[in-house]
Amino acid sequence: GEDVEQSLFLSVREGDSSVINCTYTDSSSTYLYWYKQEPGAGLQLLTYIFSNMDMKQDQRLTVLLNKKDKHLSLRIADTQTGDSAIYFCAGNTGTASKLTFGTGTRLQVTL
Amino acid sequence: DTGVSQNPRHKITKRGQNVTFRCDPISEHNRLYWYRQTLGQGPEFLTYFQNEAQLEKSRLLSDRFSAERPKGSFSTLEIQRTEQGDSAMYLCASSTYRAATEAFFGQGTRLTVV
Repeated sequence: GEDVEQSLFLSVREGDSSVINCTYTDSSSTYLYWYKQEPGAGLQLLTYIFSNMDMKQDQRLTVLLNKKDKHLSLRIADTQTGDSAIYFCAGNTGTASKLTFGTGTRLQVTL
Repeated sequence: DTGVSQNPRHKITKRGQNVTFRCDPISEHNRLYWYRQTLGQGPEFLTYFQNEAQLEKSRLLSDRFSAERPKGSFSTLEIQRTEQGDSAMYLCASSTYRAATEAFFGQGTRLTVV
């Protein structure tokens, strides 16, 4: 099955850019996703990228996909304190939206 | 419609008891998914429905777990004879068939088995 790995923790200063990285093993994922989870809350879909794309930009978010290295990253420009949360990357496997998630990266934004 | 709704938000139960959780998806969404998230981990897929049909079940879904979606709208997840290892956040998500890429999650039900 799919394995998805992420670093556990990232700390950035407010206003700086954050880059959260993810590596995955199953290259058959059609879509790759980034979700945000705030304490005690469910998952919020931030963005997703189709597997034949290299990059997708959505306001402050930029997703980069390197299929050769099976590496996905999420860049958050001008990081704000409200961006503090756990970020999960995920890939879809098999049918429908069955998702395989990474273990999550906790982003801490300091003043 | 305010999104995917899950009830209860928290449930504490004694080991060996049965529990049932409910998920109300976004009204026009015909796909519904259940995930389990343990502390410090990402969510793990349990099962999904298209309308009332349960189309896929993970091997994580032991025979103590059963999920239903009788009328293709809300879904229930029942755990029989709960064990401490069942303590987790149970997340529900829904999507349309055409936009299966965009699954929206509820806030989850946190189960604590004591």
